[in-house]
Amino acid sequence: AQSVAQPEDQVNVAEGNPLTVKCTYSVSGNPYLFWYVQYPNRGLQFLLKYITGDNLVKGSYGFEAEFNKSQTSFHLKKPSALVSDSALYFCAVRDSSNTGKLIFGQGTTLQVKP
Amino acid sequence: DAGVIQSPRHEVTEMGQEVTLRCKPISGHDYLFWYRQTMMRGLELLIYFNNNVPIDDSGMPEDRFSAKMPNASFSTLKIQPSEPRDSAVYFCASTPYYSGGKHTNTDTQYFGPGTRLTVL
Repeated sequence: AQSVAQPEDQVNVAEGNPLTVKCTYSVSGNPYLFWYVQYPNRGLQFLLKYITGDNLVKGSYGFEAEFNKSQTSFHLKKPSALVSDSALYFCAVRDSSNTGKLIFGQGTTLQVKP
Repeated sequence: DAGVIQSPRHEVTEMGQEVTLRCKPISGHDYLFWYRQTMMRGLELLIYFNNNVPIDDSGMPEDRFSAKMPNASFSTLKIQPSEPRDSAVYFCASTPYYSGGKHTNTDTQYFGPGTRLTVL
């Protein structure tokens, strides 16, 4: 069965420092991977996705994610964190049923301190 | 486009009452998903529809929960009777899995702002 794991409940980083939010996945076949962000009292917003091609995927708000097949990882990164990046981040993988269903991780809270 | 619209944004009710949550997906999207989010259980998929037909309702917690999609632009999630443990934020999302008769292969889901339900 498809699954994703976000090993960290919370990540703390100082403003201006690089940030990484970790995600590992387990799929049968080629992975379709996603990152979403949820700001307080808001719905989830799409950040970026990996379908095929370059292992480094660029997305919204300066975020990027690196697909690593050998390590089955899809970590979210940003070179310089902003306080406004503080939010809940979800990694997701497309379900193998090919019906548009996504399997979401438990989420990682990112706290960026000034 | 206005995005996915959900109503009400907040609902406070008493145990035993019927609650109806509403969702209007983005026009042209042929998949609609209902999720529930709590601190304890995270984000859970309750049910999803394709072209107004329920595809998988295995995430619906109990018979007290029911969902309908009478047309492409409207869906409801009903809880009857409601219980305090149903308190959560309920999200609706839609995706254009097919567009113009072709598989778009996007799987990008667009979420509504959510309905915060409190059952006292």
